[in-house]
Amino acid sequence: EAGVVQSPRYKIIEKKQPVAFWCNPISGHNTLYWYRQNLGQGPELLIRYENEEAVDDSQLPKDRFSAERLKGVDSTLKIQPAELGDSAVYLCASSPDWGLSSYNEQFFGPGTRLTVL
Amino acid sequence: DAKTTQPTSMDCAEGRAANLPCNHSTISGNEYVYWYRQIHSQGPQYIIHGLKNNETNEMASLIITEDRKSSTLILPHATLRDTAVYYCIVVSGNYGQNFVFGPGTRLSVLP
Repeated sequence: EAGVVQSPRYKIIEKKQPVAFWCNPISGHNTLYWYRQNLGQGPELLIRYENEEAVDDSQLPKDRFSAERLKGVDSTLKIQPAELGDSAVYLCASSPDWGLSSYNEQFFGPGTRLTVL
Repeated sequence: DAKTTQPTSMDCAEGRAANLPCNHSTISGNEYVYWYRQIHSQGPQYIIHGLKNNETNEMASLIITEDRKSSTLILPHATLRDTAVYYCIVVSGNYGQNFVFGPGTRLSVLP
């Protein structure tokens, strides 16, 4: 079974530039998560999707961050413009429908390491 | 969701059991204890979870105290590949609950 795919794996940009991250969840997983992980910290949830709907985006800095999940499969997270403090690893995760799994297991991708100079 | 407290780091000799503690004194009745680990440059990986009974799978064992205020993840025979950050998370049993990760415990398995 293919895991969660993310690209790119690494990205280096200058501040004020835009950047986008792409995630392809495990086939059939309707719930998709974007996390940000700062160095030495655990992941922090940015947004959670149920199919196409963003059901929790309370931690997403909406002034510069945006996300979309068209057709309820792939998702893109965008930052525009990027700031120095946005340097972090951006993780995507997915989970199966509740009926297919009796517990809240999330499957994580390898992440995208963003460096803003 | 209840918060958890874990030691910042631990060492373990290769081949020995690694016992990773977690305090979750404010856990409520319908909250589960989940353990994930994150190997360098990878995303977190599910290990095990439990409600109140001890659990065991091919990766680890989870021991939850009777009052459920703390738990211990046991890796019975640690290998170098078990070197990772281990996260203890408490989350409601309702579907779609968000995970709140703390800084975790950095386990170093030493040869």
